[in-house]
Amino acid sequence: DVVVTQSPLSLPVTLGQPASISCRSSQSLVFSDGSTCLYWFQQRPGQSPRRLIYKVSNRDSGVPDRFSGSGSGTDFTLNISRVEAEDVGVYYCMQYVHWPHTFGPGTKLEI
Amino acid sequence: EVQLVESGGGLVQPGGSLRLSCVASGFTFNNFWRSWLRQAPGKRLEWVAHISQDGRETYYVDSVQGRFTISRDNAKNLLYLQMNSLRVEDAAVYYCASWGVVGGIDKNYWGQGTRVTVSS
Repeated sequence: DVVVTQSPLSLPVTLGQPASISCRSSQSLVFSDGSTCLYWFQQRPGQSPRRLIYKVSNRDSGVPDRFSGSGSGTDFTLNISRVEAEDVGVYYCMQYVHWPHTFGPGTKLEI
Repeated sequence: EVQLVESGGGLVQPGGSLRLSCVASGFTFNNFWRSWLRQAPGKRLEWVAHISQDGRETYYVDSVQGRFTISRDNAKNLLYLQMNSLRVEDAAVYYCASWGVVGGIDKNYWGQGTRVTVSS
């Protein structure tokens, strides 16, 4: 299986400051059509996961533009330009080019 | 409003069976891939099973292969997960999710989850 790792696992941040989460996969996530199959999810306390980003850098509908994704191949990053209180939760990256689709361990963002 | 609502979770003894259901409302998911994922306490999310739009393609994580069966009823907008020979390690919150494209835009929806407890 493709192993997905994240760092840091815990991310204390200050309101209004930027935050960055790194995600790495053990294999390339480039699909045969040239797209790169990586999602980012946010899971707020007590809630279901919510997808934020698809194909590395595309924001889902309703996701604030302070969230952005970047990267290629096996190395990816989720950036939050200015953290707000509602961003508290656990962030997961997930690869979906290889079956089984696999998640990273999660990064807990706390204020 | 688009909603996915799971049901069927509960307490079951090791070796027992459960059938999870996920009903969709507010949108027809016939053209979406649909999935079951799970999250055990303190563990990362795990993709359990995946089914194509017409139900002809299914994929399972190795740990449930041969024990779980994913199926769908597009006429009723329903997704199922039949879980047999349950093990203690299958205990988790199970989520249904749908993945597709609407108007050229990728869409993804999740339910609120249903808890499965496997214990004697």
